[in-house]
Amino acid sequence: GNSVTQMEGPVTLSEEAFLTINCTYTATGYPSLFWYVQYPGEGLQLLLKATKADDKGSNKGFEATYRKETTSFHLEKGSVQVSDSAVYFCALKYSGAGSYQLTFGKGTKLSVIP
Amino acid sequence: GAVVSQHPSRVICKSGTSVKIECRSLDFQATTMFWYRQFPKQSLMLMATSNEGSKATYEQGVEKDKFLINHASLTLSTLTVTSAHPEDSSFYICSAGTGNTIYFGEGSWLTVV
Repeated sequence: GNSVTQMEGPVTLSEEAFLTINCTYTATGYPSLFWYVQYPGEGLQLLLKATKADDKGSNKGFEATYRKETTSFHLEKGSVQVSDSAVYFCALKYSGAGSYQLTFGKGTKLSVIP
Repeated sequence: GAVVSQHPSRVICKSGTSVKIECRSLDFQATTMFWYRQFPKQSLMLMATSNEGSKATYEQGVEKDKFLINHASLTLSTLTVTSAHPEDSSFYICSAGTGNTIYFGEGSWLTVV
């Protein structure tokens, strides 16, 4: 079946440090890949997505590239801010019309300190 | 744009009572909605797929008699936690999709005391 594996947290970084959160997946076919962010006490927000191999999703300074050869979708940001402190979830879904079910990784909690 | 709204955002109920959580798609029709549960410090686990006009499809290990799902219209799905117990305390979140996008509700924090 489908599965998503992301690096264990928590991750603590100083402001302006470089961030990488690893995510690898197992799936048949060609899934779409997502990163969601959950700020403290809030629901999920889509951060970025990629729907096919070699696509790069980007938003708010975050980037992730869909690497089919390594089945990975690592999240990166060049300079984190305190406001980036949140839990980040990697997720996949099958492509295709009407397919809206997601499989999530376990989440990685990021804390950015001033 | 499309929005999914969930209500209530927080609820506290007594052990043994039932509590209903609503999930609405505000400006699109959703024949399918999804209910997830998030345990503390863990990921979101799919509980069930809510199907408009028919029975929900539950994931393995989810008690269908305890977590009642009703999807009576194309814009509303409800999750009722029956005879709630403290171990049911969790964060429940719904989602629905339209076009190429999935939208999540704000989530509902349930505390059973």
